[in-house]
Amino acid sequence: QVHLVESGGGVVQPGGSLRLSCAASGFSFSSCGMHWVRQAPGKGLDWVASIWYDGGYIYYADSVKGRFTISRDNSKNTLYLQMNSLRAEDTAVYYCAKGHSSDWANFDCWGQGTLVTVSS
Amino acid sequence: ETVLTQSPGTLSLSPGQRATLSCRASQSVSSYLAWYQQKPGQAPRLLIYDASNRATGIPGRFSGSGSGTDFTLTISSLEPEDFAVYYCQHRSNWPPITFGQGTRLEIK
Repeated sequence: QVHLVESGGGVVQPGGSLRLSCAASGFSFSSCGMHWVRQAPGKGLDWVASIWYDGGYIYYADSVKGRFTISRDNSKNTLYLQMNSLRAEDTAVYYCAKGHSSDWANFDCWGQGTLVTVSS
Repeated sequence: ETVLTQSPGTLSLSPGQRATLSCRASQSVSSYLAWYQQKPGQAPRLLIYDASNRATGIPGRFSGSGSGTDFTLTISSLEPEDFAVYYCQHRSNWPPITFGQGTRLEIK
């Protein structure tokens, strides 16, 4: 059974940094593309970043490019999102999601999310 | 960037009725469109991928259709657990990956 558990969220001041983690189990993590998707309070879904199974391809939304870094440690079955220069508009629940076997740009399993609040 | 527009914003129906949700793309996304369901306080769940393929474990009352710019998610006979928010998402020529703004399906 696929299981994704995010951690690392919290309250941070504008301009601050935070690192999110996503612990994966129940599937071959090292064979799957992975993603971060966020959802601001009361709003819709917003794709943030994606990383290919071996880290060979990495993509970012324009809104986070240059500030966020996605990475993975396949030996630890863990996905990361390093978030720097945080802004109020980055406030959201951050979900990690597993890429689907048919195409990794479909998200076939999601974690429960971790809340990031950027506020002074 | 391809913009996805969902309609209606809110759909009010009763259990047992048929629900038809629409997603329109600003340019062709071929068949590279997925649908997700999200219930309050929960993560989204993949329902349909590549326009018409049901994801693992999704009941047969959910079906998807369309190609190019116009897509439809149909729920043939609503169950109480189907009342939720539904999002479409494309993967054509990504990045970026974009989502529609969502359709809220509420009990009438």
